[in-house]
Amino acid sequence: DTEVTQTPKHLVMGMTNKKSLKCEQHMGHRAMYWYKQKAKKPPELMFVYSYEKLSINESVPSRFSPECPNSSLLNLHLHALQPEDSALYLCASSQDLSGRGHEQFFGPGTRLTVL
Amino acid sequence: RKEVEQDPGPFNVPEGATVAFNCTYSNSASQSFFWYRQDCRKEPKLLMSVYSSGNEDGRFTAQLNRASQYISLLIRDSKLSDSATYLCVVMTTDSWGKFQFGAGTQVVVTP
Repeated sequence: DTEVTQTPKHLVMGMTNKKSLKCEQHMGHRAMYWYKQKAKKPPELMFVYSYEKLSINESVPSRFSPECPNSSLLNLHLHALQPEDSALYLCASSQDLSGRGHEQFFGPGTRLTVL
Repeated sequence: RKEVEQDPGPFNVPEGATVAFNCTYSNSASQSFFWYRQDCRKEPKLLMSVYSSGNEDGRFTAQLNRASQYISLLIRDSKLSDSATYLCVVMTTDSWGKFQFGAGTQVVVTP
């Protein structure tokens, strides 16, 4: 099973709202990722968790707050977002961070619209 | 200079024809290479990893040329369903966890 699930599929929120995106995988992967993707652009890395610890933060604004409650779950907490944060948010997982052949598997994404 | 570069296309390909395109990378520490396909408004899906000896999966063949620092993807007997954006992804040994994405090559297969 190479499935990564994400909820919700779509989210519309105001700039004062607080919401959370959720991601889950049951492949035993120890690395999980959050990406942001704008139309006609490749995914941009936001955060990487390795063995449930934050490994990489690509200078993401603090209005985005990641959380990894356990090895299968990854959350992205959103607060006080801006309209330019509207994008497709993709979660991915891979076996771990090092070595050859550690392909990433992506979830279907959450399409976020900030009004 | 971008670390991973791709011809954006679009490559317009008649059904049944062969299409090939490349991806160049600038970091000689690049270690792992992948091709993903992405359909409009969907997530990237892994098409294949690219190994040093080259590899084939059905109608798809990937090659790696370390000397010239590029990978290639060839699609034979193109199907309408092959229409997608193909993303080249590279990981380097000096930045584990940071998969570098190319901007993608758009392929349009026409009847």
